[in-house]
Order: sequence, then structure tokens, then C-alpha cells
Amino acid sequence: EVKLVESGGGLVQPGRSLKLSCAASGFSFNDYWMGWVRQAPGKGLEWIGEINQDSSTINYTPSLKDKFTISRDNAQNTLYLQMSKLGSEDTAIYYCAREAITDYWGQGVMVTVSS
Amino acid sequence: DIQMTQSPASLSASLGETVTIECRASEDIYNGLAWYQQKPGKSPQLLIYNANSLHTGVPSRFSGSGSGTQYSLKINSLQSEDVASYFCQQYYDYPPTFGSGTKLEIK
Repeated sequence: EVKLVESGGGLVQPGRSLKLSCAASGFSFNDYWMGWVRQAPGKGLEWIGEINQDSSTINYTPSLKDKFTISRDNAQNTLYLQMSKLGSEDTAIYYCAREAITDYWGQGVMVTVSS
Repeated sequence: DIQMTQSPASLSASLGETVTIECRASEDIYNGLAWYQQKPGKSPQLLIYNANSLHTGVPSRFSGSGSGTQYSLKINSLQSEDVASYFCQQYYDYPPTFGSGTKLEIK
């Protein structure tokens, strides 16, 4: 069974950093592009970015490029999202996603940016 | 970025009815379109990809159509478990972008 489990969310102060993790299981992790998508409370979906199988290609939504860094550890079957200079506009549920046409999503992790 | 305009924003229909949700892209996306269903408090689930291909395990009452800039999702014989929000997504051009969503309720 394919599982994607995010962790690392919580309450963070404005201007601070936070790193999310996504533990993958049930499939050959290093065969797939992986990405992150976020959803602000009561709002729609926003694609953050994606990383290819060997980390040689990482794409970001241009408006978010300076704030987020995506990485992966294929030995640990884990995807990461490093977030910096967080603001209230970054408050959202963050989903780990397998491929751009996302056939599997994590359950999501909530990040709240507030003082 | 390609803008996806989705309509209607909300929809109320009776059990057994057929409903249609539309998505319009700001430019031709050459069938690079997916539809997702998101039930309250849950993650999105893929329904349709390549505009009209049904994802594995999705009931056949769901169908997608369209071309160019205009696409639609049709749900036949509406069931109570179809209560959800529906989002379109274009992946023809980077970055992938989503429609604003349609909230479907049972009348």
C-alpha cells in the first residue's frame, strides 16, 4: 500500500524557518518525481514545486522560489520541504504529492505562522 | 502562469442527477488537465487525467471531456458520497496550476 506521511508542521513565528518531511512507503520511491502542494484554510490548491528521481532537477513555482527548498533522501525514502522567512500567508496544510499528475497524496500537515 | 477559471463555485443537486463542472484555461493546454475530488477534511484524490482518462478505481459515473482551453467534468447519477470539492489542474505548462474549486452539495 502506498503511503505518504508528512511531519514537522506546527506553530511557527513570522520570519522563522521550518522543515517538513514526507516519509514514503509501499512503492519504489526513487522511481518517481515528488512534489509539494499547499492549501490555505478554506482555499484552493497551490503547487509549490517538485524534484526528480536523482535530485538533478528541482522546479519551483516562480513566486515561491525564494522561500522554499525541496530535497530528498532516496536511501531514507523521504522528501523534504525547507521553508524560510515564513509569513502569515504561508499558513496552510502542506501536502506531499507523488508526481505532478498526483495519484497519491499525503494526509497533509498543518503549518500555522503566527506570533 | 496559465490561469484556470473554474465554474460554478458551488453546486447543489439531487441524488441521481447529472452535474457538470467547467474549467477554462487562459491558453491552450492540449489536454494536459486533471480533475481531483477532495472530501471534507481529506486529501485530494485523482479522478481524471489527460482530460478524459479515468484513474484506476474511479467509478465510471465520472467522466471528463474537452480540448483546447475548455474542459468539463461530468458526474452521472449523483451519489451521496460525491459530496466534495472538485478541482481542475493543468499540467501542460510549468508551474501546474489549479482551478479555484467547485463545492458540490446534495439538495
